[in-house]
Amino acid sequence: EAGVVQSPRYKIIEKKQPVAFWCNPISGHNTLYWYLQNLGQGPELLIRYENEEAVDDSQLPKDRFSAERLKGVDSTLKIQPAELGDSAVYLCASSSGDWSYNEQFFGPGTRLTVL
Amino acid sequence: AQSVTQLDSQVPVFEEAPVELRCNYSSSVSVYLFWYVQYPNQGLQLLLKYLSGSTLVKGINGFEAEFNKSQTSFHLRKPSVHISDTAEYFCAVSDYAGGTSYGKLTFGQGTILTVHP
Repeated sequence: EAGVVQSPRYKIIEKKQPVAFWCNPISGHNTLYWYLQNLGQGPELLIRYENEEAVDDSQLPKDRFSAERLKGVDSTLKIQPAELGDSAVYLCASSSGDWSYNEQFFGPGTRLTVL
Repeated sequence: AQSVTQLDSQVPVFEEAPVELRCNYSSSVSVYLFWYVQYPNQGLQLLLKYLSGSTLVKGINGFEAEFNKSQTSFHLRKPSVHISDTAEYFCAVSDYAGGTSYGKLTFGQGTILTVHP
């Protein structure tokens, strides 16, 4: 069974440029998460989807970040415009069933460097 | 609100020695507890989880953790580590009492375990 797929793995951009990250969850997983992981820190939830509905986006900086999961499968996270402080690893995860206790499966992440 | 504190940012040990990675949490409601491991350039992988029942939980790769409700701790242990255990370990909590934070995973800042030959 394929795991969570993320692309690209690495991205280097200049500040004020737009950037997008793509995630394909494990087949059949209806819950999808985007996390931000700063260097030396644990992941922090940005947004959680149940199928195509964003049910928790309270930590998403909506002035510059946006996300979509149009068909309830793969998802895209966008930053426009990027700032120096956005340099971090962006992790995608997915789970099935009751997400309060079910295991979340993580992708390898996209490492973003903003110059 | 819930929070997780991992008391050691780095833990160096020699191969075949025992290790304990400490985790304390704070929450006003009942929680589920998790330990995840992250190898270099890889995503997080679940080691073990406590949902209910026995307070001693066994996970993959010989790791175990003990839930202590009175001390709000969930320390991770392994009796004999290997070089391949070198990685970063994250403790996480998820509450199940309802409300806006229901099910949200809150992670600690991580502990880097380095196993020396």
